Amino acid sequence: EVVLTQSPGTLSLSPGERATLSCRASQSVSISVSWYQQKPGQVPRLLIYDTSNRATDIPARFSGSGSGTDFTLTISSLEPDDFAVYYCQQHLSRPVTFGGGTKVEIK
Amino acid sequence: EVQLLDSGGGLIQPGGSLRLSCAASGFTFSNYVMNWVRHTPGKGLEWISSISGNGLITYYADSVKGRFTISRDNSRSTLSLGMNSLRAEDTAVYFCAKGPFSDHLLSWFDHWGQGTLVTVSS
Repeated sequence: EVVLTQSPGTLSLSPGERATLSCRASQSVSISVSWYQQKPGQVPRLLIYDTSNRATDIPARFSGSGSGTDFTLTISSLEPDDFAVYYCQQHLSRPVTFGGGTKVEIK
Repeated sequence: EVQLLDSGGGLIQPGGSLRLSCAASGFTFSNYVMNWVRHTPGKGLEWISSISGNGLITYYADSVKGRFTISRDNSRSTLSLGMNSLRAEDTAVYFCAKGPFSDHLLSWFDHWGQGTLVTVSS
């Protein structure tokens, strides 16, 4: 099973700042990584698929990069609506696995 | 507009059974892989099961294999999850989630239901 480790666990930032979230895989997953945003009591929302492709209606301030074992989600300038938990996911091999999440909170 | 409506959750005793449903609309249901994913505050998101568009191929997480059964009724655009021998650690919010392909079961999840809470407790 591919283990995904997300860091940091919590990121404390102010609106307008840049957020950089990391996801590291225990073995290569090529570019088969997606990112989701989840707010308390809400449904996860797909942000990025296959490392760097934005999902439908996702703002350009969200971008993804990486390959192999190291992946990054960047939010170029945090909006108030962006404070949430972010999960990475790999789909190269069974079972599909998720990282433990990074909480982006208001500083 | 894609819509997924989860239902069937509730409070159930350990060892009991439950059946979850997901009613889909806004897309051609039979053309897409469907999945179940659960969320707990302690473990985060966990993939549970996937089924191909034609229903012939199914995958399960080891944690539920032999206890849970995924199925679909393409004539009614409905996804189901039969859950037997429930354990306390199965307590979670269960989401149905749509995949982007018809027969590639390993993928991302582009639309999610609103979730249904399953609580396993005596």
